[in-house]
This record gives sequence, structure tokens and C-alpha cells, in this order.
Amino acid sequence: GNSVTQMEGPVTLSEEAFLTINCTYTATGYPSLFWYVQYPGEGLQLLLKATKADDKGSNKGFEATYRKETTSFHLEKGSVQVSDSAVYFCALSPDIGKLTFGQGTILTVHP
Amino acid sequence: SAVISQKPSRDICQRGTSLTIQCQVDSQVTMMFWYRQQPGQSLTLIATANQGSEATYESGFVIDKFPISRPNLTFSTLTVSNMSPEDSSIYLCSVLSGDTQYFGPGTRLTVL
Repeated sequence: GNSVTQMEGPVTLSEEAFLTINCTYTATGYPSLFWYVQYPGEGLQLLLKATKADDKGSNKGFEATYRKETTSFHLEKGSVQVSDSAVYFCALSPDIGKLTFGQGTILTVHP
Repeated sequence: SAVISQKPSRDICQRGTSLTIQCQVDSQVTMMFWYRQQPGQSLTLIATANQGSEATYESGFVIDKFPISRPNLTFSTLTVSNMSPEDSSIYLCSVLSGDTQYFGPGTRLTVL
């Protein structure tokens, strides 16, 4: 079946530090891959996505590259801000609209 | 884009009772979904709400426990029936608009 594994959190960083949140997946076929973010008190929102191997999704300084050979979709940001504090979910979609999520990683950024 | 609202935003219910959650979208969408996020866990797809036909449930979820209605292209309801404390979760409505999936703010349910 399909599954997504994220690095365990919580992750605590100082402002301007480099961020990596690891995500690996198991899937049949070639699913689309996503990162969703949930800011405190807000709903889940799409951060970035990639639909095929070697695609790079990017948004708000975050990036993730679809690596088929390592079945990974790691999230990176070169310099985090306090406002990036949130819960980050990696997800895959084997079928349109049907998402399989990882367990989520809590990120806290201190000034 | 799509803006989704859910009612209620939260509720505390007694075991054995039922709660109906409403999901309203600001535009017509073909595909609507219901997800559950149990405490400390990730989101799990419950079912696809189909307009004009019965919902399609994922493994582990049944219609008797989670009946779903989809009377039109902008509205759906999810009922959590005969609740137990294990049903305490956040229930989220989701829609596909274009090639992007949007989520509602969620309904936080606590069952005592």
C-alpha cells in the first residue's frame, strides 16, 4: 500500500538556520507529492507540490525535489523565520483528491 | 481557489449520540472529501462524497458509522453516529479545485 514517513519532531531552530525535514514514501506507480503546512490556529494549506520525478516544488523560500531513486521528497529552507513555526505534513496522491499523509513534523523557530 | 467553511467548529458530545458536520464551499466543485485527524496522528481519508450517489468509503470506514450526504456541488455533511471517545478527532472537509486540494478549518469533536 501507500505510506509516507516523516522525520520525527519536534524540530526547534533559531531564526536564519537551515531547515531540512525528511520525507520518504512507499507507493505503487508514480504519485504526486506534496508538502502541506498548518500554522497555529489555521487550516491546512498547500505549501508546494511536485507531480513527476526530478520536479522541484518551491514556495515561500521552501523547496522539495521529487527523487524517485530514493523515494524521497525532503523539505528544505535556507533561512527560517519565526513565522515559519507550524506543523508540516508530507503527502502523496496516487489518485486525484486522495491524499496519504505523513505523521506531521512540528517546527518551532526561536528569535 | 476555494474557500471552505465548516460547522460547527467544535463540539463536546456524549457517547452514544450523533453529530452532523456541515461543509460549505464558495464555488461548485466536483470532488469533495472527508478526512479525520485523531489526536497526535496524521490525517486519514474517510470517504469521497459523491454528488447524486452514495459516498465511497476507504478501508476501515463504513456508511453506518459515517453517513455522508452531498445534495449539490457546494455542500456536504458528515455524520458521526453512535459516538464513542475513540471518535474524538478533528474532522476536515476537503475539495479539489483545479489541480489543487483545499481543506476546511476542521471540526474539533470531543466525545465524553
